Amino acid sequence: VQLVESGGGLIQPGRSLRLSCAASGFTFDDYAMHWVRQGPGKGLEWVSGISWNSGSIDYADSVKGRFTISRDNAKNSLYLQMNSLRTEDTALYFCAKDYRGGSSGWYLFDYWGQGTLVTVSS
Amino acid sequence: NFMLTQPHSVSESPGKTVTISCTGSSGSIASNYVQWYQQRPGSAPTPVIYEDNQRPSGVPDRFSGSIDSSSNSASLTISGLKTEDEADYYCQSYDSSNHVVFGGGTKLTVL
Repeated sequence: VQLVESGGGLIQPGRSLRLSCAASGFTFDDYAMHWVRQGPGKGLEWVSGISWNSGSIDYADSVKGRFTISRDNAKNSLYLQMNSLRTEDTALYFCAKDYRGGSSGWYLFDYWGQGTLVTVSS
Repeated sequence: NFMLTQPHSVSESPGKTVTISCTGSSGSIASNYVQWYQQRPGSAPTPVIYEDNQRPSGVPDRFSGSIDSSSNSASLTISGLKTEDEADYYCQSYDSSNHVVFGGGTKLTVL
């Protein structure tokens, strides 16, 4: 299993950024996927999850209405569109695979990527 | 909002046993599964306990998990401590909206 995030960088407050996660080594369209972030020197924060068929999608209250998760099963890819970015969104963003498909809730993050760093600063 | 509270840090000597607690702020922690993740410096997290007390394949049986309903807490116990166990440990569960909730993390020092 390999998860490789990309798309991070330095961005000004209020601007938008799109993160991508390329998955390999497993049947991507069988499993739910998530974004989890970690602020500098801080703990883990779940950001968003999407079920195997995009039928279930959910967000943390801190990003709801600003971030959009999506997936393209044909391309084995997960995305996170981040709009109206704030300085408090500065973090390392991890892509994580769920052990299950996500149709009946989120479960266990069994594989993680190495993360892509997003820095929101003027 | 539902929160999971962990001690900021714990330390113990090699060969000893350490227990890290994770206390739920409301409701019953036994209502939802608790998972535990290990994060070594500079690395991504990996699961060490799932469904309260199950070990993923490859995780040594020195790692164990439990639930104490009387204190509304979950615990991760590591016995026979090794220097390689030095890491941050996070508990994880769910709130009433099925949102994933992580504890604040505990830094384990093996000295």
